[in-house]
Amino acid sequence: GAGVSQSPSNKVTEKGKDVELRCDPISGHTALYWYRQSLGQGLEFLIYFQGNSAPDKSGLPSDRFSAERTGGSVSTLTIQRTQQEDSAVYLCASSLAGGISYEQYFGPGTRLTVT
Amino acid sequence: QQQVKQSPQSLIVQKGGISIINCAYENTAFDYFPWYQQFPGKGPALLIAIRPDVSEKKEGRFTISFNKSAKQFSLHIMDSQPGDSATYFCAASGGSARQLTFGSGTQLTVLP
Repeated sequence: GAGVSQSPSNKVTEKGKDVELRCDPISGHTALYWYRQSLGQGLEFLIYFQGNSAPDKSGLPSDRFSAERTGGSVSTLTIQRTQQEDSAVYLCASSLAGGISYEQYFGPGTRLTVT
Repeated sequence: QQQVKQSPQSLIVQKGGISIINCAYENTAFDYFPWYQQFPGKGPALLIAIRPDVSEKKEGRFTISFNKSAKQFSLHIMDSQPGDSATYFCAASGGSARQLTFGSGTQLTVLP
């Protein structure tokens, strides 16, 4: 079956521009996670959505980062006024149901380069 | 504060050998410990996972050993193959949100 998909696969942007990254979770998965993978920081949690509950934003590094999830499915991660330190691979993962099934399945990621 | 420490950073093994990667955690609230395999340009793929109520789990050539009292767990890859060459991440989660806390990764190279 279809896995987690992310778009675009690569994004190059200029410092100061806003970017939007998209994630389509596995159908039926109610939990959705965003992570960031960078050379200096490894894999780090950003934000978590579960159903219609308020998201857990505890991992967002600054108020330039925000995310939304529409209709309990597709999610968009927005980075405003991008900085060079935002360059990383942004990974999305989904899970059948937070607290019941712990298995998280990752998408291929979006490689963001800020010039 | 790094909550999951992973070693070694890199590992070279001969084909047919055993690869062993170790992780240690600090947060006693963690109750789920997966291992992920990642190839260049790909997202992490779930390999095998364990809960703390068992000390070992085996799936094919992959085995997790878990020591709750020492707060350590390890991945053993038996009969390592060149196709196993990848970066391996241990992780841990707990609580209601279940977000994963990852180790720093181990780059495994299996020589033919």
